[in-house]
Amino acid sequence: NAGVTQTPKFQVLKTGQSMTLQCAQDMNHEYMSWYRQDPGMGLRLIHYSVGAGITDQGEVPNGYNVSRSTTEDFPLRLLSAAPSQTSVYFCASSYSWTSGYEQYFGPGTRLTVT
Amino acid sequence: AQSVTQLGSHVSVSEGALVLLRCNYSSSVPPYLFWYVQYPNQGLQLLLKYTSAATLVKGINGFEAEFKKSETSFHLTKPSAHMSDAAEYFCAVSGDQGAQKLVFGQGTRLTINP
Repeated sequence: NAGVTQTPKFQVLKTGQSMTLQCAQDMNHEYMSWYRQDPGMGLRLIHYSVGAGITDQGEVPNGYNVSRSTTEDFPLRLLSAAPSQTSVYFCASSYSWTSGYEQYFGPGTRLTVT
Repeated sequence: AQSVTQLGSHVSVSEGALVLLRCNYSSSVPPYLFWYVQYPNQGLQLLLKYTSAATLVKGINGFEAEFKKSETSFHLTKPSAHMSDAAEYFCAVSGDQGAQKLVFGQGTRLTINP
């Protein structure tokens, strides 16, 4: 299993540009989520999904959009990039209460908005 | 709402010394608690988790944590630090808003002195 994969690893955007961060998992996990990591603030939940076709907002959803058309994929869209969205983005997945909801994280995407 | 406080953004210990990283949480329901480790330029890896079974939880790499409900704490310890333990450590809680939604502390950077 590849686990949770994210592309790209690095990205530089200009203010106002849009882009999609890709996330995929091959563990048949129902739950997927996106976090952003900023210095001194830990990780904050952006959006999450409890299954295909179901998404909801987390703590910091503004400026981001998600969809979940398949179990495997959970892309994160930046609609109009702003410098405040410069961050490291992590995708995670987990499957059930039997695992204690342990979340598996991808390697991250480092995004810089100029 | 749930929250996590990690006392000390930086902790420095000598190789072979005790490692103690502090985590206090708030939750209105019995929580799930997690410790994750992040090595430089990598994603997060689960060290250990508490899911209402044993209060003393053993994890990977010789780490363990004790759940103390009366103190709302879940401190991480390791009897003897190794140079390879240098990393950032995150405490996380879930439960209030669904067992799969994690709230992270701000992180503690552990430095090991030779």
